[in-house]
Amino acid sequence: GNSVTQMEGPVTLSEEAFLTINCTYTATGYPSLFWYVQYPGEGLQLLLKATKADDKGSNKGFEATYRKETTSFHLEKGSVQVSDSAVYFCALSESSASKIIFGSGTRLSIRP
Amino acid sequence: GAGVSQTPSNKVTEKGKYVELRCDPISGHTALYWYRQSLGQGPEFLIYFQGTGAADDSGLPNDRFFAVRPEGSVSTLKIQRTERGDSAVYLCASSPAGARTDTQYFGPGTRLTVL
Repeated sequence: GNSVTQMEGPVTLSEEAFLTINCTYTATGYPSLFWYVQYPGEGLQLLLKATKADDKGSNKGFEATYRKETTSFHLEKGSVQVSDSAVYFCALSESSASKIIFGSGTRLSIRP
Repeated sequence: GAGVSQTPSNKVTEKGKYVELRCDPISGHTALYWYRQSLGQGPEFLIYFQGTGAADDSGLPNDRFFAVRPEGSVSTLKIQRTERGDSAVYLCASSPAGARTDTQYFGPGTRLTVL
């Protein structure tokens, strides 16, 4: 079945460091890909998305590119801030259905 | 505008009891989803409504779980004969039309604890 595998955490970085959180997926057809974020004490919210191959999603300095050839959607940010500390979820929605399949999440902590 | 709301925010019950969890989606959204999130895991899909009908209930774990959306807006997730393994955060989400490219907007969740 369809699935998402993402980098296990926790990940701890210093402020202004470069961030990569790896995500790969298994899916039939042409899924849409998402990164959702859960800040401490808050609900799950969309960070960015890409709906077809080679699309790049971006928001708040974060970027991810839909790579069909490597079935990947890695999350990157050039310079992280303390306020980026959160749990990040990679996810897909199947081409034949709109339910979302989530990865297990990566907890990110940024040190001042 | 208002986002997705869920009530109650916390529910503690005893094993064997019946519980109802409510979701108010964003006004005008035809698609509504229920997910369950266990500690340290990503949300897992339970059921998807398009309007009043359950378009996909493949994620419901067994027949103790049931959900309704009688008027195409508010939805209630019902769990009979609760078990300790049902303890989790139950999340509701809505999207404009249920397309695979739509953004799903999540509520704050209901934390269910079964003693």
